[in-house]
Amino acid sequence: DADVTQTPRNRITKTGKRIMLECSQTKGHDRMYWYRQDPGLGLRLIYYSFDVKDINKGEISDGYSVSRQAQAKFSLSLESAIPNQTALYFCATGQNQATQYFGPGTRLTVL
Amino acid sequence: AQRVTQPEKLLSVFKGAPVELKCNYSYSGSPELFWYVQYSRQRLQLLLRHISRESIKGFTADLNKGETSFHLKKPFAQEEDSAMYYCALSVPYGGATNKLIFGTGTLLAVQP
Repeated sequence: DADVTQTPRNRITKTGKRIMLECSQTKGHDRMYWYRQDPGLGLRLIYYSFDVKDINKGEISDGYSVSRQAQAKFSLSLESAIPNQTALYFCATGQNQATQYFGPGTRLTVL
Repeated sequence: AQRVTQPEKLLSVFKGAPVELKCNYSYSGSPELFWYVQYSRQRLQLLLRHISRESIKGFTADLNKGETSFHLKKPFAQEEDSAMYYCALSVPYGGATNKLIFGTGTLLAVQP
């Protein structure tokens, strides 16, 4: 299922660097989400967007920003990466809150 | 507080044995609950939702409001069921939408 894609799949960077994670979808969904997954903490919502003009903070948005360039694209940026942002990042899309379709994930390591 | 609790990090069973993955929630409103599954090297995907009351891949889950639980069950485990399972609760967020609150997940390992 390649309807939701994420690039890069893996990234190692250094503290202080700016990083952008990209998400694209071909499902035609209006809603897009960014989550991070940490061991023992499950998935936590970073940002979500209902359409190109609608961006909303999630529960852990500090240190992150997003851009909804088009209905199909939703990118997540770390302006100045820090080690505790090392995690697995998932993008998801949906037409309603019930069913979300997830991307394969991006494993980010901040040294 | 809105919370989803999955008390077991790992559940190991033998093939053919019954499986019950526990999920408890804390929410004052009317809950909408889901189970998501993540197979090895695959993305997270919806397994089932309580309002549909359906059985997917032999799994069922019943909402018990008295016990605030939504345990996932399967009578006979198969090796291909080995995966990470997440329970999730949909709650209102931001006044205009809902968000999913995920539990920490349970790794199910089915031994041959």
